[in-house]
Amino acid sequence: DGGITQSPKYLFRKEGQNVTLSCEQNLNHDAMYWYRQDPGQGLRLIYYSQIVNDFQKGDIAEGYSVSREKKESFPLTVTSAQKNPTAFYLCASSEAGTGGYEQYFGPGTRLTVT
Amino acid sequence: AQKVTQAQTEISVVEKEDVTLDCVYETRDTTYYLFWYKQPPSGELVFLIRRNSFDEQNEISGRYSWNFQKSTSSFNFTITASQVVDSAVYFCALSEQDAGNMLTFGGGTRLMVKP
Repeated sequence: DGGITQSPKYLFRKEGQNVTLSCEQNLNHDAMYWYRQDPGQGLRLIYYSQIVNDFQKGDIAEGYSVSREKKESFPLTVTSAQKNPTAFYLCASSEAGTGGYEQYFGPGTRLTVT
Repeated sequence: AQKVTQAQTEISVVEKEDVTLDCVYETRDTTYYLFWYKQPPSGELVFLIRRNSFDEQNEISGRYSWNFQKSTSSFNFTITASQVVDSAVYFCALSEQDAGNMLTFGGGTRLMVKP
């Protein structure tokens, strides 16, 4: 079945540690995205990538980093510089371009940093 | 800049009631796209519908219907004869032509359908 996988579903880390969240898609989409969701709020864009080896900052990129070495994969690293990393992280993918293509989402990773 | 407002943060209805979720948007683009997504308790967002700015025709899909009115910059979502399984957070989102596929989300409306 085609879709997006994110692992793990729950992640716990100590403050000061970097942590990498996995996102893989087999939908053959060129574009991939990372969002952050805080309780009771909407989604905010962290980073996005329209093509392999290229990515751009979203609205809240500070304290995060990404890579896009393969079309299928778009891992997100939450660094120790992120002041408030505890949140629900969602990965998405879509066709690339300006056609208003719908984004398809993974199941999310809930990160807790103590 | 683009903006999406979902003024209703939480709605509670009894099963079989009809319910309308409001969405108001702001954009300077003449070409844009509007979306609705459903987020059940599991957390994954499920795509429901996409409309482009040139298509104001209302749409019905089973118990779901959408009313797009450019004159009021609104894209409201109605669930007819609600069911407990409709309980979720619903998000309205906007994508501007000039911004590629970037989505701007509203804050979401939590719908609780009680048996």
